Amino acid sequence: GEDVEQSLFLSVREGDSSVINCTYTDSSSTYLYWYKQEPGAGLQLLTYIFSNMDMKQDQRLTVLLNKKDKHLSLRIADTQTGDSAIYFCAETLEGFSGGYNKLIFGAGTRLAVHP
Amino acid sequence: EAGVTQFPSHSVIEKGQTVTLRCDPISGHDNLYWYRRVMGKEIKFLLHFVKESKQDESGMPNNRFLAERTGGTYSTLKVQPAELEDSGVYFCASSRQGIGTMNTEAFFGQGTRLTVV
Repeated sequence: GEDVEQSLFLSVREGDSSVINCTYTDSSSTYLYWYKQEPGAGLQLLTYIFSNMDMKQDQRLTVLLNKKDKHLSLRIADTQTGDSAIYFCAETLEGFSGGYNKLIFGAGTRLAVHP
Repeated sequence: EAGVTQFPSHSVIEKGQTVTLRCDPISGHDNLYWYRRVMGKEIKFLLHFVKESKQDESGMPNNRFLAERTGGTYSTLKVQPAELEDSGVYFCASSRQGIGTMNTEAFFGQGTRLTVV
């Protein structure tokens, strides 16, 4: 099946860490992604992780991948008001012609950062 | 380098009318994708072009939707006739190589918000 599940809403205080969770179904996914959508803007690739990795760190962002449980998380350290956005988890899925040519997205997690 | 641009940014049409959405990918990107997000739900794949050829159109909802990419440059997505359930945000993305290829990023446009009333 093609299902990526995310919680819909997360509220954190400025300066705290945020953890956004995602579960996916396709164990053959090669890459898993986190996209960010700010109000009125398109989707911006935040970070991605290759399926043979457990963790990836990029400045304030830490991605953890548990392949056994098909669980992906995004941790944002020292969350700022500018981090308020919708965060989408996505996995790659094989397209009709072979090769991984689709992204399967979750419904997005709306992160609200308050003072 | 200009990003992926979509036109219009918003469109409000009546049920039964026709609407055409346009996407200009990043120059040199052979791969072009259309996605749709309906009512705050997940972003769903519609179809994938490689140059002017439809590589995968498995996500197209029904035959009221027609996508074209003449000359392998910009793409249009026409909805005719539009129904209420077609309302949503339509995203276009482009990439140099296919998504899932090492070091390949798909760049998304800002989306077209379609409202059918």
